[in-house]
Amino acid sequence: KAGVTQTPRYLIKTRGQQVTLSCSPISGHRSVSWYQQTPGQGLQFLFEYFSETQRNKGNFPGRFSGRQFSNSRSEMNVSTLELGDSALYLCASSLEGGRAKDTQYFGPGTRLTVL
Amino acid sequence: GENVEQHPSTLSVQEGDSAVIKCTYSDSASNYFPWYKQELGKRPQLIIDIRSNVGEKKDQRIAVTLNKTAKHFSLHITETQPEDSAVYFCAAINTNAGKSTFGDGTTLTVKP
Repeated sequence: KAGVTQTPRYLIKTRGQQVTLSCSPISGHRSVSWYQQTPGQGLQFLFEYFSETQRNKGNFPGRFSGRQFSNSRSEMNVSTLELGDSALYLCASSLEGGRAKDTQYFGPGTRLTVL
Repeated sequence: GENVEQHPSTLSVQEGDSAVIKCTYSDSASNYFPWYKQELGKRPQLIIDIRSNVGEKKDQRIAVTLNKTAKHFSLHITETQPEDSAVYFCAAINTNAGKSTFGDGTTLTVKP
């Protein structure tokens, strides 16, 4: 099976712009979670989508949003970018997320740099 | 909110020695505890996990122990090798609520 893929792998934006990141989960996986990873803050949970619905949300401002499509692919959007949004954004997929088979597999991440 | 404390933040050992990383979680409803290894520039990879109905699990040189009463779980690596050098993350997951909380990571360096 192909692993979790994320596009783009690298992105450079300026303050005030918006960005959309994409995540394709492992085939058959229905849960997709998004994380922000920074050197000082570790892995911070953004949100989780399951069956096209946001099931859980972390403590991030409303500038961070996401969605999931019927094929389980997910997108994450950040509007009005700030310098502090520079980070590695990881998505992780699992079969059902909140059930027994909940091992998460991570994608390679999208490295976002905000100038 | 829920949190996971992970210690130490950095750990340096000699090749062949053992390494222990400890995590304490706050959500008593957490029932699944995976450990991830992240090498520089790469994605986190699951190395071992344990569920709340198990006290200990071992896979070759790696073992994880769980103390649900103390809300504490640990990763043990024996006979460490230089290729074990990486950042290790623990996580506490409440599968019923679908909530995942990660520790801040431990940078393990194994000196040859």
